[in-house]
Amino acid sequence: DVKVTQSSRYLVKRTGEKVFLECVQDMDHENMFWYRQDPGLGLRLIYFSYDVKMKEKGDIPEGYSVSREKKERFSLILESASTNQTSMYLCASSFTGGFGDTIYFGEGSWLTVV
Amino acid sequence: ELKVEQNPLFLSMQEGKNYTIYCNYSTTSDRLYWYRQDPGKSLESLFVLLSNGAVKQEGRLMASLDTKARLSTLHITAAVHDLSATYFCAVDSHGTASKLTFGTGTRLQVTL
Repeated sequence: DVKVTQSSRYLVKRTGEKVFLECVQDMDHENMFWYRQDPGLGLRLIYFSYDVKMKEKGDIPEGYSVSREKKERFSLILESASTNQTSMYLCASSFTGGFGDTIYFGEGSWLTVV
Repeated sequence: ELKVEQNPLFLSMQEGKNYTIYCNYSTTSDRLYWYRQDPGKSLESLFVLLSNGAVKQEGRLMASLDTKARLSTLHITAAVHDLSATYFCAVDSHGTASKLTFGTGTRLQVTL
């Protein structure tokens, strides 16, 4: 089974802190994604990556950056956390090509910024 | 910009009843996904619909896709309490499982 692991399930950080959310997948997937989920808004794409060292902005990249130095690892960085970044963050990965592609999600990281 | 509208946002239904969740999207796409999310949990893939007219069924859930109408439906037959969850549709705008745009979700509550 595909496994997408997010290192921290619950975090509480202070305003202005630098926050790292780590995600690792074990199926050699090319694509990796970071979403945030908020009530009534569904999931919104922050950043995604098609390959190592490549990244593209999603729909809401402001206040975030990402890093993909290795194929299996995709990190989301909040340079200076703010209270409006309190949310659930979901990492996902997928394999490109073929028929019947699906995207696999991690368990989620609940971030509270106080 | 791709928009995905899902309705209803909240659905309370009695066990044994049937109902349909609707997912409309604004641009051409041949791939649509349905996910289930239990409270505090991640997303579980339910269905991947890859072409016009695709229909998939799993237990009491059946999903269909009409790409001409830009509409997908998730039909619930004879609901049971275990189906209580939030259901999301998502459209793949790149066609390669590479970028999904999600609907707002439908929170389903099945009461006894």
